[in-house]
Amino acid sequence: EVQLVQSGAEVKKPGESLRISCKGSGYSFTSYWINWVRQMPGKGLEWMGRIDPSDSYTNYSPSFQGHVTISADKSISTAYLQWSSLKASDTAMYYCASTGYSSGPNYWGQGTLVTVSS
Amino acid sequence: QSVLTQPPSASGTPGQRVTISCSGSSSNIGSNTVNWYQQLPGTAPKLLIYSNNQRPSGVPDRFSGSKSGTSASLAISGLQSEDEADYYCAAWDDSLNGSWVFGGGTKLTVL
Repeated sequence: EVQLVQSGAEVKKPGESLRISCKGSGYSFTSYWINWVRQMPGKGLEWMGRIDPSDSYTNYSPSFQGHVTISADKSISTAYLQWSSLKASDTAMYYCASTGYSSGPNYWGQGTLVTVSS
Repeated sequence: QSVLTQPPSASGTPGQRVTISCSGSSSNIGSNTVNWYQQLPGTAPKLLIYSNNQRPSGVPDRFSGSKSGTSASLAISGLQSEDEADYYCAAWDDSLNGSWVFGGGTKLTVL
């Protein structure tokens, strides 16, 4: 059974850096792409980007390119989403989701709530 | 403003059949397959339909998907109270370097 377990909720101040994680289990981690999806409070889903864990190839949504970095460490079956300087507008729930049945988000993690407030 | 267009709300009574539409363009739905997701309140989204009309294991056959041209639809038959949720469509968009795009979501209310 494919499982994606994300790191816990974070509370940060504007300007701080942050890295959240997504650990895959129950499958070969390098077989499925990992996508990251943002959901701002009370809003819909927004695709941020994805990574192929087998070679760390990434592509980003134009809306998020340059604002976040997606990476992966296949030796520990973990993908990451990181910010170098957070803003209040980064406050949101962040989901990782692997491919599986088809391309795009299929199996979802439980989400990581990021709150950025001074 | 989402790239894919969904109605913000839909409703139905138990046992009824409801449909949710998703409109796109030639660069997304017109040339790629569509996924549908269900998000129950306070939970992570769940894949409901993939490749336009395929159901992952465990998804009841009350849920079905279709696609025609640059539009897609999700149909739910035999509506149940537990179907009350937000529903999202998504497709790969070939423009620029390519990206997944979502609809704005449809809140389904079971009356």
